[in-house]
Amino acid sequence: DGGITQSPKYLFRKEGQNVTLSCEQNLNHDAMYWYRQDPGQGLRLIYYSQIVNDFQKGDIAEGYSVSREKKESFPLTVTSAQKNPTAFYLCASSTTEYSNQPQHFGDGTRLSIL
Amino acid sequence: GQQVMQIPQYQHVQEGEDFTTYCNSSTTLSNIQWYKQRPGGHPVFLIQLVKSGEVKKQKRLTFQFGEAKKNSSLHITATQTTDVGTYFCAGGGGGTSYGKLTFGQGTILTVHP
Repeated sequence: DGGITQSPKYLFRKEGQNVTLSCEQNLNHDAMYWYRQDPGQGLRLIYYSQIVNDFQKGDIAEGYSVSREKKESFPLTVTSAQKNPTAFYLCASSTTEYSNQPQHFGDGTRLSIL
Repeated sequence: GQQVMQIPQYQHVQEGEDFTTYCNSSTTLSNIQWYKQRPGGHPVFLIQLVKSGEVKKQKRLTFQFGEAKKNSSLHITATQTTDVGTYFCAGGGGGTSYGKLTFGQGTILTVHP
């Protein structure tokens, strides 16, 4: 089955530690996205990539970093500079056949501070 | 930047009652999409509206896109317990924001049997 796989499902971060969230898709989509979801809030865009080896900052990129070395993979690193990392992180992908294609989401990773 | 406001934040209904959530953008949108997120789950795409004044139906769900392409609504007729979840609108800006969606805060719907 085609889809998006995020791992781990739950992740705990110690103070001063960087952690990396994995996102893999086998939908052959060019575009991939990372969102942060906090209780009572919508999804806020962290980073997005429309093609391999290229990515752009979203609305809340500070304290995060990404890479896009392969079409299938778009890992997100939450750095120690992100002072409030506790949230639900969602990865999504879409085609780029034309602007604003529907996005397909993974099951998410819940990140907490120890 | 583009902002998308969604109201109400919460809606509690008795099973069989209707439900509506509204979405307003600070800028003209190229399209609007609606997603549903079940409790503990991830957002799932429902529909996309592109044309000014467009109305689309999916069984008991009716979606509208405003004439000015700055607002939208989702109406559910005769809610069922399976409708429980958070409904998000997401606006596409087009142009230099190609591919980006701006999500509303979502409306959390609870349905009492």
